[in-house]
Amino acid sequence: QQQVKQSPQSLIVQKGGISIINCAYENTAFDYFPWYQQFPGKGPALLIAIRPDVSEKKEGRFTISFNKSAKQFSLHIMDSQPGDSATYFCAASMYSGNTPLVFGKGTRLSVIA
Amino acid sequence: GAVVSQHPSWVICKSGTSVKIECRSLDFQATTMFWYRQFPKQSLMLMATSNEGSKATYEQGVEKDKFLINHASLTLSTLTVTSAHPEDSSFYICSSRSRGPAFYGYTFGSGTRLTVV
Repeated sequence: QQQVKQSPQSLIVQKGGISIINCAYENTAFDYFPWYQQFPGKGPALLIAIRPDVSEKKEGRFTISFNKSAKQFSLHIMDSQPGDSATYFCAASMYSGNTPLVFGKGTRLSVIA
Repeated sequence: GAVVSQHPSWVICKSGTSVKIECRSLDFQATTMFWYRQFPKQSLMLMATSNEGSKATYEQGVEKDKFLINHASLTLSTLTVTSAHPEDSSFYICSSRSRGPAFYGYTFGSGTRLTVV
């Protein structure tokens, strides 16, 4: 059972454009939703995370939108740059427990000039 | 912020030999370490969860006798791939959860690329 569904699998965006990646979760006990960026041969690096008490969080060019009723959250990358080309993973877990993250399948983003 | 140091970053070994991967929490106490495996162009799949001083809990389908996890201290967890075979070639990543007054989240090691020949 896939607990976190991520789409699209791959994405090509023009430099300066907006990259949008979507995730949906099933477990209503999840209350911590981070996004990770991974470059080839490297471990995942935290980009931004959100909890259900807010519907949106912005950090620089990265914004998470969260819809609790739909059990969906998305990552928006504004003014996308070639350096943003990487694989992005959404994830979910329970904030107060000591449980592992459950990852989406990932989105390979290519930003072209 | 919290840092998890993972070594080695890459290793090549012969089929049938064992390989040890270490993860150290440098500035926090890692009471729990999560071990993931990632095949090319795939997501991170949880292999096991280890708690300091107790036996690891393995996910379904992961052979506990092949992937030995030791978490003897609050700052060190190791994964030993025993009698490695080419199908064990993968990217192994550790992660721990850090909590503090100024930070929270999951910290990942930089990963270990294992190639079994």
